[in-house]
Amino acid sequence: ETGVTQSPTHLIKTRGQQVTLRCSSQSGHNTVSWYQQALGQGPQFIFQYYREEENGRGNFPPRFSGLQFPNYSSELNVNALELDDSALYLCASSLNAGITEAFFGQGTRLTVV
Amino acid sequence: KNEVEQSPQNLTAQEGEFITINCSYSVGISALHWLQQHPGGGIVSLFMLSSGKKKHGRLIATINIQEKHSSLHITASHPRDSAVYICAVTPMDSNYQLIWGAGTKLIIKP
Repeated sequence: ETGVTQSPTHLIKTRGQQVTLRCSSQSGHNTVSWYQQALGQGPQFIFQYYREEENGRGNFPPRFSGLQFPNYSSELNVNALELDDSALYLCASSLNAGITEAFFGQGTRLTVV
Repeated sequence: KNEVEQSPQNLTAQEGEFITINCSYSVGISALHWLQQHPGGGIVSLFMLSSGKKKHGRLIATINIQEKHSSLHITASHPRDSAVYICAVTPMDSNYQLIWGAGTKLIIKP
């Protein structure tokens, strides 16, 4: 148990819809990173939030957006869902931004039909 | 070419065998991570290292910064070690992210 919880665990959405995924970070951690893992591939970095501000972003379109709350929990929002958005979405929390160990949640499996 | 390459992609071995998984990377890094992913998705961090060698139980991780290469070794392998092992790096120029390899699927047979 890492103390990082993600919800929901599984989700099915229709193409064009919007989705919000949630992540509660481990106690004391102020940094949350989001990753997308397509089937059979390694995770791809979406973005990182540090103290409620976006601290870095990977190569994802603007329809992927995020938020971090004062308690350091975080949301990942995806608008105008596409079939290729079907993936496991992983959240990782860490003590600080930069070179620190990351603790991962169990992930949210999103299927877009 | 991917910035982080792992080999082998798949590995099946008998219980008790010594296992080696390799990772090569092409970018300058601040740290290299070895992680374990079980079916269902959960990821556990095994090691974070920037030089030398680290050991935890039956797991050993080594890194050669000059050669941009790391290895993960498992001694006395056990069926419960079966998982996907992923190498990831923290790039020097963007240390907010991890760049991941595709993973090595390890199956240990009793």
